[in-house]
Amino acid sequence: AQSVTQPDIHITVSEGASLELRCNYSYGATPYLFWYVQSPGQGLQLLLKYFSGDTLVQGIKGFEAEFKRSQSSFNLRKPSVHWSDAAEYFCAVGPFSGTYKYIFGTGTRLKVLA
Amino acid sequence: NAGVTQTPKFQVLKTGQSMTLQCAQDMNHNSMYWYRQDPGMGLRLIYYSASEGTTDKGEVPNGYNVSRLNKREFSLRLESAAPSQTSVYFCASSDLQETQYFGPGTRLLVL
Repeated sequence: AQSVTQPDIHITVSEGASLELRCNYSYGATPYLFWYVQSPGQGLQLLLKYFSGDTLVQGIKGFEAEFKRSQSSFNLRKPSVHWSDAAEYFCAVGPFSGTYKYIFGTGTRLKVLA
Repeated sequence: NAGVTQTPKFQVLKTGQSMTLQCAQDMNHNSMYWYRQDPGMGLRLIYYSASEGTTDKGEVPNGYNVSRLNKREFSLRLESAAPSQTSVYFCASSDLQETQYFGPGTRLLVL
């Protein structure tokens, strides 16, 4: 069955430090992969997505993610975190063959220390 | 260009009451979705509509009905609300590049 796992529920980093948020998926084929960000009280906004081609994907706000097929992973990274990056981050997979369904991970809440 | 709009923003219901959550998008997208977000559960798909006139169940459809009124609008109805339906509800639409655009959410409390 398809699934998305974000193993870290909470992550705390200092402003200016690097960041990596983990995402692992389970799907028989190469999926479409997404990272979304949710600020408090807001809807979700797309950070970046991977469909095919270059496995290192650049997104908005200085984020990037790398697709590693051998590890079924799509980890999100940022070299230097800003206080405004404090939010919840969701990894998503889909749509699945023959459907328009997406599966979201349970999210990672990022706290940034000044 | 408002994107995806949802009404109401907040709602308090008593157990057994009914209500309809409204969603509209002005981006001419074919696909629309309803999710619920609960702490520690991420987003779970309730129903989706791949195109006008079609709807399909998602992961957690029990207790809900939907209507794709036209290409712009996709409503979610709770016929008899239960405390387990206390949640934040998000509507989304997706473009041909599969990016989903989310509304601001409806916070529902069922007493």
